[in-house]
Amino acid sequence: ETVLTQSPGTLSLSPGERATLSCRASQSVTSRYLAWYQLKPGQPPRLLIYGASSRATGIPDRFSGSGSGTDFTLTISRLEPEDFAVYYCQQYGTSPQYIFGQGTKLEIK
Amino acid sequence: QVQLQQWGAGLLKPSETLSLTCAVYGGSFSPYYWRWNWIRQPPGKGLEWIGEIDHSGSTNYNPSLKSRVTISVDTSKNQFSLKLRYVTAADTAVYYCARGKVEETTMRTYYSGMDVWGQGTTVTVSS
Repeated sequence: ETVLTQSPGTLSLSPGERATLSCRASQSVTSRYLAWYQLKPGQPPRLLIYGASSRATGIPDRFSGSGSGTDFTLTISRLEPEDFAVYYCQQYGTSPQYIFGQGTKLEIK
Repeated sequence: QVQLQQWGAGLLKPSETLSLTCAVYGGSFSPYYWRWNWIRQPPGKGLEWIGEIDHSGSTNYNPSLKSRVTISVDTSKNQFSLKLRYVTAADTAVYYCARGKVEETTMRTYYSGMDVWGQGTTVTVSS
């Protein structure tokens, strides 16, 4: 079973700065199967990126995804106040079909 | 605009059965590529996938929960349901339903993420 490890656990930045979040897999992941989500308190998760680099409908272009193999990155080019949240990477696979990373908390510095 | 609306009991005693239902509004339930999922988030922890079902009733479950979980579908009502038996305090969580998309071609499989989510149901297990 693949394990997704996200780093850092917490990232403290200011609005306007660039955020780089990492998701590392314990074994190679097909890029088509890698997604990113944003989770805010009291709200359901929001799909940001699928296929490692494709933005979901309605997602601002300041969000971008990249990577392949075992290393994937979510980048937020210029942080807006509403971007401070917890971010999860997710892999589609087999048994279990879906695995989430443990999350990165993006907090205001 | 597809929406998922979920409901079910929010307070359970240990050993009882958790039962949640999710209704799909504003969209078709049936295309083969939709997968209807249940995910949960325990307090202070991350997201955990519970299981999925497609329109034909084919299911996949998280091995860690498989012995206690049943997901079923009622296509006539555009609804799918989760039952989790013999709950304990460790099952206390916010439970979400979500729509995922998995397209299988002869050459490749494409996963487009879980793009529509229910509002979440807080389930507490306490004696």
